[in-house]
Amino acid sequence: DTAVSQTPKYLVTQMGNDKSIKCEQNLGHDTMYWYKQDSKKFLKIMFSYNNKELIINETVPNRFSPKSPDKAHLNLHINSLELGDSAVYFCASSQRDAGNTIYFGEGSWLTVV
Amino acid sequence: AQSVTQLGSHVSVSEGALVLLRCNYSSSVPPYLFWYVQYPNQGLQLLLKYTTGATLVKGINGFEAEFKKSETSFHLTKPSAHMSDAAEYFCAVPADRGSTLGRLYFGRGTQLTVWP
Repeated sequence: DTAVSQTPKYLVTQMGNDKSIKCEQNLGHDTMYWYKQDSKKFLKIMFSYNNKELIINETVPNRFSPKSPDKAHLNLHINSLELGDSAVYFCASSQRDAGNTIYFGEGSWLTVV
Repeated sequence: AQSVTQLGSHVSVSEGALVLLRCNYSSSVPPYLFWYVQYPNQGLQLLLKYTTGATLVKGINGFEAEFKKSETSFHLTKPSAHMSDAAEYFCAVPADRGSTLGRLYFGRGTQLTVWP
């Protein structure tokens, strides 16, 4: 009955590889997000989708490409991984116009070696 | 844009002692303020949420936060710390005032350590 679930939880990969993180929410929300937490635990938004439409696209390298096949799913694909991409990536969701309360997934710990 | 500042990146208390984690918001009164908790190797869990009009907000696990406009503060407290409270705590505010975009600005976090 996990509200926001993302896979994989841990991912270790080599530089130059391409990887994807998947996210699904069963809260019936219309908005989903990707947040990045760096090594100093600072959290920053990367992308947001509302009803499958991209509404927030922060200054993120083009190697990062989100995809939302439907409003319950938001995946993150990363091309040509670099050492600096090592971080924790959090998927989250909310219902727009409902007080901005955002619910987070358990995180995906990405390590690039 | 709205922002928050968390004072003190590390706070240590003894079990049973008062917990006080500080958060100040930028000048304009935000419609919402949040405290989230992150346990080791886990995601962020919502502790409590302030909405306009409330001053004392009660959350889960015995935590509460008081909104003080005069001090632009939203400090998190718990009367008696428990070992299980050891975690990272984040204060957050909607970054875009008046917007429904849902973009949150997070503080830098405060690591709470509880000693036996």
